[in-house]
Amino acid sequence: QQPVQSPQAVILREGEDAVINCSSSKALYSVHWYRQKHGEAPVFLMILLKGGEQKGHEKISASFNEKKQQSSLYLTASQLSYSGTYFCGTETNAGKSTFGDGTTLTVKP
Amino acid sequence: NAGVTQTPKFRILKIGQSMTLQCAQDMNHNYMYWYRQDPGMGLKLIYYSVGAGITDKGEVPNGYNVSRSTTEDFPLRLELAAPSQTSVYFCASRHWDKRGEKLFFGSGTQLSVL
Repeated sequence: QQPVQSPQAVILREGEDAVINCSSSKALYSVHWYRQKHGEAPVFLMILLKGGEQKGHEKISASFNEKKQQSSLYLTASQLSYSGTYFCGTETNAGKSTFGDGTTLTVKP
Repeated sequence: NAGVTQTPKFRILKIGQSMTLQCAQDMNHNYMYWYRQDPGMGLKLIYYSVGAGITDKGEVPNGYNVSRSTTEDFPLRLELAAPSQTSVYFCASRHWDKRGEKLFFGSGTQLSVL
């Protein structure tokens, strides 16, 4: 069963913050986050393993709440280059991922 | 390193034709994956492999077959192509080290079945 992402779309001005959520009904081994620009391959951002860790990548970070089977992606002080579609992928065991339908982020000047 | 290389980039098939999408990686990764992505949708796992000689089905395996005779190559075979298989196909490989895990994607194959 695929994870559920929210919101479906976000429109921001440069410098604003955004949070994208990903939730699953199953016990998770890991959560992955990706960004995809139109016509391009997904780009890996980070992976979070069970254990409730939070990881960071420049001004993009994420958390994983193992008890709630939820992950959130935090984008701070957004830049134009952050525009794209963000996907979360979840694994119930290592090696078999299921992806959400994506959140489209548009950053305007 | 070239990373993950997919060929061809574009292909048009007629209904009922067959073809093989090629995927190769030169990073010695054990885990490899095939996904399809329909317009405006997320990635759907077709098949994956945890090492040479080992493959398993993902969410949407019907109409596809894979093989993994070497660590480097993971071809995807479409038999009797159907319009429902029109999609963008991505191959990926996965790496672990003590710094964590990372997925590498190929540039994709855009397939149209007419």
